[in-house]
Amino acid sequence: DQQVKQNSPSLSVQEGRISILNCDYTNSMFDYFLWYKKYPAEGPTFLISISSIKDKNEDGRFTVFLNKSAKHLSLHIVPSQPGDSAVYFCAASNGNQFYFGTGTSLTVIP
Amino acid sequence: NAGVMQNPRHLVRRRGQEARLRCSPMKGHSHVYWYRQLPEEGLKFMVYLQKENIIDESGMPKERFSAEFPKEGPSILRIQQVVRGDSAAYFCASSTKPSPRSDEQFFGPGTRLTVL
Repeated sequence: DQQVKQNSPSLSVQEGRISILNCDYTNSMFDYFLWYKKYPAEGPTFLISISSIKDKNEDGRFTVFLNKSAKHLSLHIVPSQPGDSAVYFCAASNGNQFYFGTGTSLTVIP
Repeated sequence: NAGVMQNPRHLVRRRGQEARLRCSPMKGHSHVYWYRQLPEEGLKFMVYLQKENIIDESGMPKERFSAEFPKEGPSILRIQQVVRGDSAAYFCASSTKPSPRSDEQFFGPGTRLTVL
């Protein structure tokens, strides 16, 4: 039972443009959400997080938006850079465990 | 400060053999977490250990799988009598304190297990 879903397995964006990665979840008890970035042959690295008491969190070029009523979060990267090319996982926590999405492979075209 | 180390990076086993996956946490980290990523799926929590204690093994299959984190040495994830369905990437993460928040966990590069 996939409680966190990333329905787009891949995304291609031109350098300098905005990348928008989407994530949906089903469990209303989730109260903390994160995005991880993963390069090939490496483990995931934490990127940005957001608590359920907020609807937006920004860190440099990365912004995460949370829509609790829609059980949807998104990661915006602007401007996108070729070094952003990686697999992005969203994850959600209910305080006990973490539930990860299946990932979206982002390719930023120079 | 070395990151989380996992070895081997790739492991090939035949059905029925045993697989041992090792994880050395970051220096100063006493909390270890194991995750499994099956093909086409996200990472799934398996087990959370502190030194010499299993804290939460709710994500681990009841049979054939075991984990330990001894006082000295790396954490070991052991899979007995492997089957093809065990083929996956196994990731280890470590933290300095109990972490219900993933951003406090640092991941290793993973071990890719292939069962022939």
